[in-house]
Amino acid sequence: AQKVTQAQTEISVVEKEDVTLDCVYETRDTTYYLFWYKQPPSGELVFLIRRNSFDEQNEISGRYSWNFQKSTSSFNFTITASQVVDSAVYFCALSEGGSQGNLIFGKGTKLSVKP
Amino acid sequence: EAGVAQSPRYKIIEKRQSVAFWCNPISGHATLYWYQQILGQGPKLLIQFQNNGVVDDSQLPKDRFSAERLKGVDSTLKIQPAKLEDSAVYLCASSLVTPQETQYFGPGTRLLVL
Repeated sequence: AQKVTQAQTEISVVEKEDVTLDCVYETRDTTYYLFWYKQPPSGELVFLIRRNSFDEQNEISGRYSWNFQKSTSSFNFTITASQVVDSAVYFCALSEGGSQGNLIFGKGTKLSVKP
Repeated sequence: EAGVAQSPRYKIIEKRQSVAFWCNPISGHATLYWYQQILGQGPKLLIQFQNNGVVDDSQLPKDRFSAERLKGVDSTLKIQPAKLEDSAVYLCASSLVTPQETQYFGPGTRLLVL
């Protein structure tokens, strides 16, 4: 069965600190997709990144970077030089292949960035 | 490009009453999803439509929840009768075709059942 674990419930940092959000997943499929979403206080889920299981290249987008390691079934997310606007709940999600490979979300990590 | 639209944004009802939520997906997106997000948890899929057909409704409590997407575009989710534990945010999302493609979410409807 597929599962996503975000062990960090809440993280608090001071502005300009770097922070890493952990995500560990479980799946028996060889083809799967991993996602990160941001949910600010307004409530809307904002898409950040999608990664398929065949692409282990790390990705950087501005202050955001993602580290995908199949050997440890992890897909961690790092924010460099955090800002107050980064305060939100961040969700990691997994989708297996097939027409019913729906998104399975972790419980989320609440990030608070203090000025 | 317009995003996923949902209404209403907030709804307060008493238990045993009925309520309906509306969703209009991104234009051209064949697949539409309804999720329930209880406070402090990640979203959980309730039902997935592809065009106007149901692909997956295995987690929809069918004794009280119903959903339709008659013309393959917008969709309505109904709860009748509501229970206290239905208090949650109901999120609608859409994707081009498959769940493995990026799903884009609407702003959600926050439901409080008293």
